[in-house]
Amino acid sequence: EDQVTQSPEALRLQEGESSSLNCSYTVSGLRGLFWYRQDPGKGPEFLFTLYSAGEEKEKERLKATLTKKESFLHITAPKPEDSATYLCAVQILGGSNYKLTFGKGTLLTVNP
Amino acid sequence: GAGVSQTPSNKVTEKGKYVELRCDPISGHTALYWYRQSLGQGPEFLIYFQGTGAADDSGLPNDRFFAVRPEGSVSTLKIQRTERGDSAVYLCASRAQNTGELFFGEGSRLTVL
Repeated sequence: EDQVTQSPEALRLQEGESSSLNCSYTVSGLRGLFWYRQDPGKGPEFLFTLYSAGEEKEKERLKATLTKKESFLHITAPKPEDSATYLCAVQILGGSNYKLTFGKGTLLTVNP
Repeated sequence: GAGVSQTPSNKVTEKGKYVELRCDPISGHTALYWYRQSLGQGPEFLIYFQGTGAADDSGLPNDRFFAVRPEGSVSTLKIQRTERGDSAVYLCASRAQNTGELFFGEGSRLTVL
């Protein structure tokens, strides 16, 4: 069975304290791995797509990396406005177009 | 509007009642998805439309759930004989042709008493 596991479930950081979120996956075949940000009461907001091991993408203080078994979302010098739930999702090879299997998310809190 | 619009934003109903949730996708987006998100969980796939047809409905939990998209734009998720376990946020997303980015609406929060 295809599985996506995110860790930690929750993370508290001080402003400026860099860290990483983990997304490990067990799938029959990976077409793509997606990172989304979700604020309370809102829908997920797209951040990145990664397609192959070794690929990296960056956006402001965020950097996503991918290996054959997991992905990391690195947050450099975070600010309070980075507080949100970060969701990881996978698209399976052979699956219908962009049907995603999500993890439970990591709730990030950045204190000023 | 510029984004995916979902109505109602909140719906409280009694067990056994019928509910309709509406999604208005971004203009021109041919692909439309419904997901369900329970508290503390990630979104769970329900159904995917390409144009007017349901291309994949493998996530619908049972035959009480049904969705339509008659003109290839607005979609309605219909839930019959609601149960307390149906309580969740129902998210709609749309996608432009040849891109991988899903744009989500803010969701419809359904509470079944």
